[in-house]
Amino acid sequence: AQSVTQLGSHVSVSEGALVLLRCNYSSSVPPYLFWYVQYPNQGLQLLLKYTSAATLVKGINGFEAEFKKSETSFHLTKPSAHMSDAAEYFCAVSAPNTNAGKSTFGDGTTLTVKP
Amino acid sequence: DVKVTQSSRYLVKRTGEKVFLECVQDMDHENMFWYRQDPGLGLRLIYFSYDVKMKEKGDIPEGYSVSREKKERFSLILESASTNQTSMYLCASSAVGTGDYEQYFGPGTRLTVT
Repeated sequence: AQSVTQLGSHVSVSEGALVLLRCNYSSSVPPYLFWYVQYPNQGLQLLLKYTSAATLVKGINGFEAEFKKSETSFHLTKPSAHMSDAAEYFCAVSAPNTNAGKSTFGDGTTLTVKP
Repeated sequence: DVKVTQSSRYLVKRTGEKVFLECVQDMDHENMFWYRQDPGLGLRLIYFSYDVKMKEKGDIPEGYSVSREKKERFSLILESASTNQTSMYLCASSAVGTGDYEQYFGPGTRLTVT
């Protein structure tokens, strides 16, 4: 069984500041990890994913995340926040060799960007 | 451009009504999913389907059923809608693989049951 914990349901940063959204996972096997973003009144879309290649993963819109096995973490970062980054962010985990492709999602973190 | 569409963006139904939520994907994906999204609870899986006519219960299947007669279409059915089923419903699809395929989401249906 796998699970995901997102630390902080709300994060607020100033425009231009560093964005750090935290995700810790629990999995009995090496996991696949995903970050999704949901803009208001829209579905989720993929930001980036880790599938056991490079541990530092770059995604869209300047976001990146680093897989740290020793810390069971997959935190999402962006060096400089933009107003358009305001959204809800979800971390998700799936187990390899699960043909059904099911993922377990975290509870989400709402990012607010202040001008 | 890949696409998952849902039949309605907003829906208002009365308690006891039978409600159908439709989802269509154009990516030839084998897997399809129905989630409900509530504030502070993230996404909770209701049902998923890994092939036509094949389905499995997710974490919260009570009060729901599903139908998948064609590969591209996955329907969620509320047999007798109740006020505690007021929520945002998200449909998603993904390819079959080894777990590393991302899910593609529709825009969601916000259902209100009065």
